[in-house]
Amino acid sequence: EIVLTQSPDFQSVTPKQKVTITCRASQSIGSSLHWYQQKPDQSPKLLMKYGSQPISGVPSRFSGSGSGTAFTLTIDSLEAEDAATYYCHQSSSLPLTFGQGTKLEIK
Amino acid sequence: QVHLQQWGAGLLKPSETLSLTCAVYGGTFNDYYWSWIRQPPGRGLEWVGEISHSGNTNYNPSLKSRVSMSVDTSKNQFSLNLNSVTAADTAVYYCARRDRYADTWILSYWGQGTPVTVSS
Repeated sequence: EIVLTQSPDFQSVTPKQKVTITCRASQSIGSSLHWYQQKPDQSPKLLMKYGSQPISGVPSRFSGSGSGTAFTLTIDSLEAEDAATYYCHQSSSLPLTFGQGTKLEIK
Repeated sequence: QVHLQQWGAGLLKPSETLSLTCAVYGGTFNDYYWSWIRQPPGRGLEWVGEISHSGNTNYNPSLKSRVSMSVDTSKNQFSLNLNSVTAADTAVYYCARRDRYADTWILSYWGQGTPVTVSS
């Protein structure tokens, strides 16, 4: 099973701040890494696919990078609506797995 | 516009069987994998398993002995059964569609989630 480890687990940030969340895989997964945003009492929402491919409708302040075992999700100029928990997810091999999540709190 | 609507019993006793169904509206039912993911209260996401339109299944090894999935293509629905539940199975259960992209499959569309509590 591929283990995904995110950092940080929690971050308190101010609006307009730049945020970087990292996700490390226990073995190489190519570009089969995707990012989800989950707000309280909502289903996860796909933000970024295949490492760096944006999803239609997602604000351009979100970007992704990485391949192999190291990936990042960057939020430029954070907005209040970005308060959420962010998960990375690998689809390289079964069982599908997720990172433990990174909770962003807006100050 | 793809929409997944799910339902099932929300309160179970230990040793009972969890049964959930997910209906798919919009788009075709074929050519995708149909997944179940769960999220215990205050915790992260765990993939339960998936089924194709033709009935091919993949299950999480941690749950494989208790899980079964089925598909009803005439109704564009798929279902999850998890037997011998315990309190550890208490979670919000999501259904989702996996779409093909490049050399992989991505969980693109999710249902609204069904909270399931196991308590005596």
